[in-house]
Amino acid sequence: QSVLTQPPSVSGAPGQRVTISCTGSRSNIGAGYDVHWYQRLPGTAPKLLIYGNSNRPSGVPDRFSGSKSGTSASLAITGLQAEDEAEYHCQSYDSSLGSSRVFGTGTKVTVL
Amino acid sequence: QVQLQESGPGLVKPSGTLSLTCAVSGGYISTSNWWNWVRQPPGKGLEWIGEVYHTGSTNYNPSLRSRVTIFVDKSKNQFSLNLNSVTAADTAVYYCARWASYGGNPLDYWGQGALVTVSS
Repeated sequence: QSVLTQPPSVSGAPGQRVTISCTGSRSNIGAGYDVHWYQRLPGTAPKLLIYGNSNRPSGVPDRFSGSKSGTSASLAITGLQAEDEAEYHCQSYDSSLGSSRVFGTGTKVTVL
Repeated sequence: QVQLQESGPGLVKPSGTLSLTCAVSGGYISTSNWWNWVRQPPGKGLEWIGEVYHTGSTNYNPSLRSRVTIFVDKSKNQFSLNLNSVTAADTAVYYCARWASYGGNPLDYWGQGALVTVSS
């Protein structure tokens, strides 16, 4: 169902840098649509982490950063902390589906 | 601070209709925002269901369009989801969320989620 592909899981030790890819196509990310990232901590609702490809809402630490290039986007977490263990989901729009919102497959980040 | 709260039955029989309501507080539903429903089946990623504007205009996920209705009740400051002909595949945590009128329109406020199980 998901048209945006993410790795199922990534892991890193505290303090390390991890990146999560979000791979799309010419009808979504490659068409110029913005990418947003959400963090879902265990047992909680998703929280907006990055919007408009690379912008952080107020209160989100600057160790979270987003980028976009071509048909892909990435979320980087630098200085990984235990509280970053969560699911991360990318989201964009897809013009082949009538400008429908689309989500990525989701990535579980584990802090070793 | 806008707050969203889902409510509705946690158990629905197969072939029945799933109905959920999202109450909006801390803000008016009649603003320049679209109000969304998103779900997450167990062990899977998020799936966008659809959205409604306070005028009643809607957009739906093409894969669910034939079974979904989303509507707004401005007098109660809430919006609702109906999903008919449900099967076990519709078992999920259902979230309501607000579309933000900035930065490419992310979903900036979310409800806590409501688990709906489809089972006889």
